[in-house]
Amino acid sequence: DAGITQSPRHKVTETGTPVTLRCHQTENHRYMYWYRQDPGHGLRLIHYSYGVKDTDKGEVSDGYSVSRSKTEDFLLTLESATSSQTSVYFCAISDSYGSLGAEAFFGQGTRLTVV
Amino acid sequence: AQKVTQAQTEISVVEKEDVTLDCVYETRDTTYYLFWYKQPPSGELVFLIRRNSFDEQNEISGRYSWNFQKSTSSFNFTITASQVVDSAVYFCALIATFQGGSEKLVFGKGTKLTVNP
Repeated sequence: DAGITQSPRHKVTETGTPVTLRCHQTENHRYMYWYRQDPGHGLRLIHYSYGVKDTDKGEVSDGYSVSRSKTEDFLLTLESATSSQTSVYFCAISDSYGSLGAEAFFGQGTRLTVV
Repeated sequence: AQKVTQAQTEISVVEKEDVTLDCVYETRDTTYYLFWYKQPPSGELVFLIRRNSFDEQNEISGRYSWNFQKSTSSFNFTITASQVVDSAVYFCALIATFQGGSEKLVFGKGTKLTVNP
């Protein structure tokens, strides 16, 4: 199994509070992604990173920020959590797709509930 | 823009039936990769297959087979003689190389397959 760990696995927080989710990898992969999964929407990309300090927005980035100060860690922050951000969050990692077409490995997911 | 469409939201079959899950994609890139992932009720995402845009050979792995057709921008997944353990949500995904080298993995909305005994 790929070395990718998400923390926490479950969290309940109150509206308006800041929340940070962590994704940690031991594979030294270049690319890291944060997705959210909601019924009827599948997996939607929030932000992704293609290197240390190199990040870009996905399709549902409003209300989220990310940081990647080290290859192994990719943090997702909800500055002021809202109920619409209640979801299951998945982190994924992959090596350069170049000519290798490497697969993406996923973490176990974080279930976040905003009350 | 990149896009993956899985038109079938839910499919229900009886065990031992064959079932095909459809995937249609859009991309302007000539180099891209297509994937299928399985998400069983336990929630984890399991990689099934990847296919690059230069390889249109169909692939078979046990009861699973994949049909890639660039002419119709489709990458369909067939399960032969389905089993109850195949019950899961299946996602098709696409990745392409953007200008500057950044790459994004984009998913379809998934197809929920239920195999009844």
